[in-house]
Amino acid sequence: KAGVTQTPRYLIKTRGQQVTLSCSPISGHRSVSWYQQTPGQGLQFLFEYFSETQRNKGNFPGRFSGRQFSNSRSEMNVSTLELGDSALYLCASSGPGSVETQYFGPGTRLLVL
Amino acid sequence: AQSVSQHNHHVILSEAASLELGCNYSYGGTVNLFWYVQYPGQHLQLLLKYFSGDPLVKGIKGFEAEFIKSKFSFNLRKPSVQWSDTAEYFCAVTGRYSGNTPLVFGKGTRLSVIA
Repeated sequence: KAGVTQTPRYLIKTRGQQVTLSCSPISGHRSVSWYQQTPGQGLQFLFEYFSETQRNKGNFPGRFSGRQFSNSRSEMNVSTLELGDSALYLCASSGPGSVETQYFGPGTRLLVL
Repeated sequence: AQSVSQHNHHVILSEAASLELGCNYSYGGTVNLFWYVQYPGQHLQLLLKYFSGDPLVKGIKGFEAEFIKSKFSFNLRKPSVQWSDTAEYFCAVTGRYSGNTPLVFGKGTRLSVIA
């Protein structure tokens, strides 16, 4: 079974721009979660989607949003980028047979200049 | 609020030394516990997990962890480390029986294994 895939792998943007990151979960997994990883704050939960509905949301500003499509693929969007948004954005999926275990993708490394 | 504390920020060991990485959690309820590893340049991988039953769980690559409920701890151990174990290790907790709660991670412990 293919793992979680994320695109793009690397991204450079400037302050004020917006960005969209994509995540394809493991086949059959319907839950997709997003995390932000930075050296200072570590891994922090952004949000989780299940069957196209946001089920949980972390403590991030409204500039961070997401959605999930009917095929379980998910996107997250960050508008009005700030320097502090530079981070590794990780997507994780879980599903039948492993509903309580999350499997992570390689991440998208975003650099905001 | 839920939190996970990993005691060591950076651990340096020689090959064949024994490893123990500390993890304590604060969570109001029954928990599921995880250890993930992030090798240099690679994605986060599941090492092992504890849901219920035997508090000593075995994972991949010779790692094991022991859940001590009274101490709110889930320490990771390996009897003899190898150079290839150089990585960052993350302890994480999530609630059981409370819907789909997100993973709460510790800040991670960087392990450097030297020859």
